[in-house]
Amino acid sequence: DAEITQSPRHKITETGRQVTLACHQTWNHNNMFWYRQDLGHGLRLIHYSYGVQDTNKGEVSDGYSVSRSNTEDLPLTLESAASSQTSVYFCASSRQGVNEQFFGPGTRLTVL
Amino acid sequence: GNSVTQMEGPVTLSEEAFLTINCTYTATGYPSLFWYVQYPGEGLQLLLKATKADDKGSNKGFEATYRKETTSFHLEKGSVQVSDSAVYFCALLAAQGAQKLVFGQGTRLTINP
Repeated sequence: DAEITQSPRHKITETGRQVTLACHQTWNHNNMFWYRQDLGHGLRLIHYSYGVQDTNKGEVSDGYSVSRSNTEDLPLTLESAASSQTSVYFCASSRQGVNEQFFGPGTRLTVL
Repeated sequence: GNSVTQMEGPVTLSEEAFLTINCTYTATGYPSLFWYVQYPGEGLQLLLKATKADDKGSNKGFEATYRKETTSFHLEKGSVQVSDSAVYFCALLAAQGAQKLVFGQGTRLTINP
């Protein structure tokens, strides 16, 4: 079955380290998204992509970067992790022109 | 800009009670509206949606009606079950421009037997 996966599911890191969170989908969706979930804020968009080589900033993009070298993957990189980036991160994907987004299971990141 | 406001939680009800979770939005034009549900330890799942004014989305006994005049999309269920305990998110997708979901802050619902 087609799906969207995230890895790792849990990560503990130290301030200043570079961290990369993986997102992989097998639906061949053009659109992919990264959100962070924090208490009292719901989900906030970090970065998104409409296709290979396309990336765009969301509302909370500072300190994060993404790259889209193929359709299936959109890795999220924290260049220099900060304690404020402790959060649960969700990846999502959708087909071009279809408004339903499908979400991965999430990655819980703790920055000490 | 676009925004979504949900009623503050947490909400605690007894089994078979009637549920309403309020959601209002601010957006230009005619956005699509969604309710997502997040069960403990899982990602978000689409519960229901409506894409134009007066549309009613429904699924698993939940309903929500797109009210343009009041800019609302309240979630309702006539008789809740313990298995409905989860966090519920209201969201909108703008009619034009980037295909980005804007979420409310979420409402945690607990149903007691």
